[in-house]
Amino acid sequence: NAGVTQTPKFQVLKTGQSMTLQCAQDMNHEYMSWYRQDPGMGLRLIHYSVGAGITDQGEVPNGYNVSRSTTEDFPLRLLSAAPSQTSVYFCASSYSIGLGNEQFFGPGTRLTVL
Amino acid sequence: QQQVKQSPQSLIVQKGGISIINCAYENTAFDYFPWYQQFPGKGPALLIAIRPDVSEKKEGRFTISFNKSAKQFSLHIMDSQPGDSATYFCAASKGATNKLIFGTGTLLAVQP
Repeated sequence: NAGVTQTPKFQVLKTGQSMTLQCAQDMNHEYMSWYRQDPGMGLRLIHYSVGAGITDQGEVPNGYNVSRSTTEDFPLRLLSAAPSQTSVYFCASSYSIGLGNEQFFGPGTRLTVL
Repeated sequence: QQQVKQSPQSLIVQKGGISIINCAYENTAFDYFPWYQQFPGKGPALLIAIRPDVSEKKEGRFTISFNKSAKQFSLHIMDSQPGDSATYFCAASKGATNKLIFGTGTLLAVQP
């Protein structure tokens, strides 16, 4: 199993550009989520999905869109990048929701918006 | 509003010493408290977790102590090793949800 994979590892964007961060998992996990990690702020939940076709907002959803057309993939879209979106983005997945369901994190995408 | 407050921000411990990281939470509805370990350039990985119906959980050199009345929990790393040098995050979630609220992280350096 590759686990949770993310592409690209690094990306530089100009303000106003759009891009999609890719996330895939091969563990047949129902739950997937996106977090951003900023210095001094820990990780904050952006969007999450409890299954194919079902998504919902987390703590900091503004400026980001998601969709979940398959169980395996959960892309994160930035429609018009802003410098405030400079961050490290982590995708995570777990078998299901509920107590004790360990979330597995991907290696992250480091995004810089100029 | 930081729902989970973590301290210290950084910690230096000698090899063989005890590392202690503390977290406090506000929301009494939280019922799952995991600790994550993150090495540079990697994603966080679950280290150990506890539910509020127990006051302590131990896995090897890692122990979580939980004080429900004080709304605090802490991670103790016994016999700290240089390989333990990493950033540690506490987190909390509530109910049948995987929506983790993270602390701000503690950068641990274990000196040989």
